[in-house]
Formats: sequence, C-alpha cells, structure tokens
Amino acid sequence: EFVLTQSPVTLSLSPGERATLSCRASQTVSSSYLAWYQQKPGQAPRLLIYGTSSRASGIPDRFSGSGSGTDFTLTISRLEPEDFAVYYCQQYGNSLWTFGQGTKVEIK
Amino acid sequence: QLQLQESGPGLVKPSETLSLTCTVSGGSISTSNNYWGWIRQPPGKGLEWIGTIFYSGSTYYNPSLKSRVTISVDTSKNQFSLKLSSVTAADTAVYFCARWRGGELANYFDYWGQGKLVTVSS
Repeated sequence: EFVLTQSPVTLSLSPGERATLSCRASQTVSSSYLAWYQQKPGQAPRLLIYGTSSRASGIPDRFSGSGSGTDFTLTISRLEPEDFAVYYCQQYGNSLWTFGQGTKVEIK
Repeated sequence: QLQLQESGPGLVKPSETLSLTCTVSGGSISTSNNYWGWIRQPPGKGLEWIGTIFYSGSTYYNPSLKSRVTISVDTSKNQFSLKLSSVTAADTAVYFCARWRGGELANYFDYWGQGKLVTVSS
C-alpha cells in the first residue's frame, strides 16, 4: 500500500513567517508525479505545485516546492492572511493516485 | 474555461447505491491527456481518491473501494459517473469530480467541481 505522510499535522504561524510543510512517501515517487493542493473551508482543492516544483498558473512565487525520492517539501516564504488553509500532497504511480492526510496552517 | 459540476441525490439509504454524475462544460471530455476522477472527503477529514477514467473507458480504482465502485463515461453527453454500492455511514462525504491532466511534464488535478455532499442515512 502506498502511503503519503504529511507533517506536521498542524502548523501554527503568524503572517509574514515562513512555512515549511513535509510530505514523505512510503515508496519512491517520480518527481513528475508529485503535486500540492491548497484547500479552504467549503471549497474544492486548488492546485499549487505540480511536478514537485512547478507553480500552477496564477500561483504567487512565495509558494515553492522541492524534493526527490521519498521526501518532498512545500515552502511558503512569507505567509499572507489568505494562505491559512489545509495543504495536501498527492502522488501518481502505477495507475494509483494517493493523497496525504493534510497539514493545516493556522494563525498563531 | 473548463467547468465541472456534480449532480445526484444528497441522501442515500444504507446498503443502497450512491450515484453521481459530473458534467463537463467548456471543453470536450474526449481529449487526449485528460483523465477524469472522483475524490471524496468525509466531514472534517482529508481527501481520498476513489477512481479515474479515460474517455476511452479505461478505469482505475482505489483498491480499498474497488469491489464497490463503478465509474463510467458518456462522451455524447460530456459526462462521467460514479456508482458506489452497499453504502454505509462511512461513505458520507463531499464527493468531488476533477480533471487529471496527464502527460510527460504535467500530472495533476487542475479543474474541480464544487463538490456534492452525500449523506448515508435511513
């Protein structure tokens, strides 16, 4: 069974601070197949990052992704008020799609 | 601009079959590199991938749900559908349909429906 484990579960930060979110895979993930999404209450997820490090259309450059193999990171360089939300990593491989359990970024 | 819209009953009785349809507008469902997926989210919990279909009819299912799930596509109506049988309260969730853009460099769910809350209760 393929598992994506995100940490921390909750990240309490203030606006302007840097957020670092981790996504660890139980098996090696191709960098082309690792994406990150942002979800706000009552909304559908929004694509942020694909192919580990490419920003989706319209996504501010304060969002960046990195990593390889089994360890991937989403970094928000300076948190804006609208960035407080839940973030999910997601991978594709062997005709299966998997989401991590999410990291909630909350206002401290 | 591509748009997806889920439709179907919001209340299903235990042991019955949940049926939802996703209507795609603003583009053709029969485009190469486009796959169409269902993802669900129980109240207060995370996202769970249910399954994905290509317009040709090829399907891919979450192993944990495979025995109960059927996803189909109707290219003439630009729609794809989900059926989940023998539902229980654990299947109560918001069900999203989404487009999976597949390719050498692009692999992601980029367009999503607004979500449909389905409650399983007698």
